[in-house]
Amino acid sequence: GQNIDQPTEMTATEGAIVQINCTYQTSGFNGLFWYQQHAGEAPTFLSYNVLDGLEEKGRFSSFLSRSKGYSYLLLKELQMKDSASYLCAVFNAGNMLTFGGGTRLMVKP
Amino acid sequence: NAGVTQTPKFQVLKTGQSMTLQCAQDMNHEYMSWYRQDPGMGLRLIHYSVGAGITDQGEVPNGYNVSRSTTEDFPLRLLSAAPSQTSVYFCASSQSRGSEKLFFGSGTQLSVL
Repeated sequence: GQNIDQPTEMTATEGAIVQINCTYQTSGFNGLFWYQQHAGEAPTFLSYNVLDGLEEKGRFSSFLSRSKGYSYLLLKELQMKDSASYLCAVFNAGNMLTFGGGTRLMVKP
Repeated sequence: NAGVTQTPKFQVLKTGQSMTLQCAQDMNHEYMSWYRQDPGMGLRLIHYSVGAGITDQGEVPNGYNVSRSTTEDFPLRLLSAAPSQTSVYFCASSQSRGSEKLFFGSGTQLSVL
């Protein structure tokens, strides 16, 4: 079966750095996605990792370790607008995209 | 460029009623899918399609039907609504089934009383 775990909620301060972890156990692996979802809105794409290592995109970076079934999303220089839910999703061997429950991030002044 | 258009935004049904959620994309994407989102459970795949005339079941297909007669449209039908189908529904599309990012519609908030 599929199991994707991420913390339910996190709180951080404006200007700080926060790391959101995601661990997964899936039947096969064809890539891992991170999506951002503001309250009441649709998810939007943030990053995609298929090989081990760090992918950097502006203030956001995503890391993958396939051997450990682990990924994290790193957000730097936090802004109030970063308050949102962050969804980890894994593309498995059957080419189905399975989402974790999401991490709700609250950024405080 | 409209992207993925989903209608309606809100809908209230009585138990046993049927309805269709509409989804259309104008990006010539091959892959389209329907998800439902419930609190604490993340997004769960209902049905998906890898091209016109081809559909397949996701994680939670029971109670829902889909068809894909054109590349652009992928409607989701609730045959006999149940309170357990109260949820937020998202349609999403991507260029192909694989390592392509999904583009989501704006969502439909459905309540079944």
